[in-house]
Amino acid sequence: KAGVTQTPRYLIKTRGQQVTLSCSPISGHRSVSWYQQTPGQGLQFLFEYFSETQRNKGNFPGRFSGRQFSNSRSEMNVSTLELGDSALYLCASSLEPGSGTEAFFGQGTRLTVV
Amino acid sequence: QKEVEQNSGPLSVPEGAIASLNCTYSDRGSQSFFWYRQYSGKSPELIMFIYSNGDKEDGRFTAQLNKASQYVSLLIRDSQPSDSATYLCAVGRRGGGADGLTFGKGTHLIIQP
Repeated sequence: KAGVTQTPRYLIKTRGQQVTLSCSPISGHRSVSWYQQTPGQGLQFLFEYFSETQRNKGNFPGRFSGRQFSNSRSEMNVSTLELGDSALYLCASSLEPGSGTEAFFGQGTRLTVV
Repeated sequence: QKEVEQNSGPLSVPEGAIASLNCTYSDRGSQSFFWYRQYSGKSPELIMFIYSNGDKEDGRFTAQLNKASQYVSLLIRDSQPSDSATYLCAVGRRGGGADGLTFGKGTHLIIQP
């Protein structure tokens, strides 16, 4: 059974640009959550999608957005990139919405903003 | 503000000994508790989860939960050098209205050969 797949693995972008990250969950999982990991702040919840609907959103600015498709694949978009957006972006897949059941992470996308 | 606290370490344990990792959380409504292992440069890997008070054992790992004290721990028996990693405690709630997982900043564990 394939795990969570995130693409691309690495990205380098310039301040002011925008970026789109992709996540394919484990087959059968309909919940996809996104997290940002930085050395200073640790892992922080960005948002969750379930059945193509955003269920919850963390405390991040509106420059961070996402969507989910009918096949449960999800994309995350960051517009007007800032240096502070440099981080490891992780996608987690789970069977049920919310944070009550096991969540499995993809390999992550390492974003560097220069 | 939901918080999860872990000692950042490093926690140094001799090979073959028991490593004990601890975590406290602030949200009394938390229902689900997870331990993730993260090697340097890699993504977090789920190693244990526990939903009820008490102990849960899986191989060399035991998770312990005490909701009254808002305390979760992870014991690693017969520690191996390959167990050297950062261990993240995460806390969550059930249901579609729940926020995402709240993570501690992790404990860096070093197993000394």
